[in-house]
Amino acid sequence: KAGVTQTPRYLIKTRGQQVTLSCSPISGHRSVSWYQQTPGQGLQFLFEYFSETQRNKGNFPGRFSGRQFSNSRSEMNVSTLELGDSALYLCASSLVADRVNEQFFGPGTRLTVL
Amino acid sequence: DQQVKQNSPSLSVQEGRISILNCDYTNSMFDYFLWYKKYPAEGPTFLISISSIKDKNEDGRFTVFLNKSAKHLSLHIVPSQPGDSAVYFCAAYAGNMLTFGGGTRLMVKP
Repeated sequence: KAGVTQTPRYLIKTRGQQVTLSCSPISGHRSVSWYQQTPGQGLQFLFEYFSETQRNKGNFPGRFSGRQFSNSRSEMNVSTLELGDSALYLCASSLVADRVNEQFFGPGTRLTVL
Repeated sequence: DQQVKQNSPSLSVQEGRISILNCDYTNSMFDYFLWYKKYPAEGPTFLISISSIKDKNEDGRFTVFLNKSAKHLSLHIVPSQPGDSAVYFCAAYAGNMLTFGGGTRLMVKP
């Protein structure tokens, strides 16, 4: 069974640009969560999607958005990039929502904003 | 304001000895706690968890202790092995949301 895949693995953008990251969950998993990892703040929850609906959102500005498709694949978008958005973006999938101990993480997308 | 804190950014332990990783939290609404392990270039993997109604949970070499009055949890690894060298994150769950600590890098020396 394939794990959670994230594309691209690495990305370099400049300030003011926008970026879209993709996450394909484990087959059959319907819940996808996104996290941002930075050296200073650790892992921070961005949002969770279940059956194409956003269930929960962390404390991030509106520049961060996401969506989930009918096949459970999810994308997150960051508009008007800032230097502080440089981070490792992780997504995690689980069979259903609220099964945090059954979440499987992808390897992450490393975003660098210049 | 960080609700979950891991005050030790790194820890070095000799192989075979006990590793103790600590985590403090401030939000009394957290009702479920987890530990994750992360290797470089990989996502975190779930290690062990504990419900707030318990004070101890054991799984092989890994034991998690929860002290609700002190709002403190710890992960014990006995005996430590070189393959345990990784970054360990504690996380707390409430309101459909996971809040992570900043991580502790564990180095187990042969």
